[in-house]
Amino acid sequence: DAGITQSPRYKITETGRQVTLMCHQTWSHSYMFWYRQDLGHGLRLIYYSAAADITDKGEVPDGYVVSRSKTENFPLTLESATRSQTSVYFCASSSSGTYNEQFFGPGTRLTVL
Amino acid sequence: DAKTTQPNSMESNEEEPVHLPCNHSTISGTDYIHWYRQLPSQGPEYVIHGLTSNVNNRMASLAIAEDRKSSTLILHRATLRDAAVYYCILRDSWGGGADGLTFGKGTHLIIQP
Repeated sequence: DAGITQSPRYKITETGRQVTLMCHQTWSHSYMFWYRQDLGHGLRLIYYSAAADITDKGEVPDGYVVSRSKTENFPLTLESATRSQTSVYFCASSSSGTYNEQFFGPGTRLTVL
Repeated sequence: DAKTTQPNSMESNEEEPVHLPCNHSTISGTDYIHWYRQLPSQGPEYVIHGLTSNVNNRMASLAIAEDRKSSTLILHRATLRDAAVYYCILRDSWGGGADGLTFGKGTHLIIQP
């Protein structure tokens, strides 16, 4: 399907486990982003990528790792999940340029026990 | 980044116009004003953006004050589907769009039938 998809949509894991959240877009957008949304904090940027093999830290990168070997995929890995990483994670993409809108995925609700 | 201030919540009646205000008194000359909204249990979606002139699209209108220190998102005829959190976001045109969006707490719009 065309658009931006995230998987899984829901995930429950335990403290200390590694978890990877997947993001896939079909528009060949240059830019991709990961945000987390917590009650009381709104959406905060975790990592972003301007192109394949180019990534950079956002506001809250600690505890997360990203990679972007292909333009269309931008996985987010929690190397050792903690309870504070329980959140809703949104992936987004946009074509280049400040004016261009970001398209958001449906989100992944992650619970770390 | 320049900061925006929005009311926490607003209430309106179905089929009436809604005016959502945003103050951004420290806006710089290169900042674009973007609006996004987030419907319940969904990712944010782009609504509209502008620099100096008023803007219209199929979803809404954006009225920008002459001094650019404030703006108003106008929904001409609100429906129940417009109930969402609306975010006013400033984006520096020099950033190239690669650095993500900075979300505040937004305005929770409630539509009464």
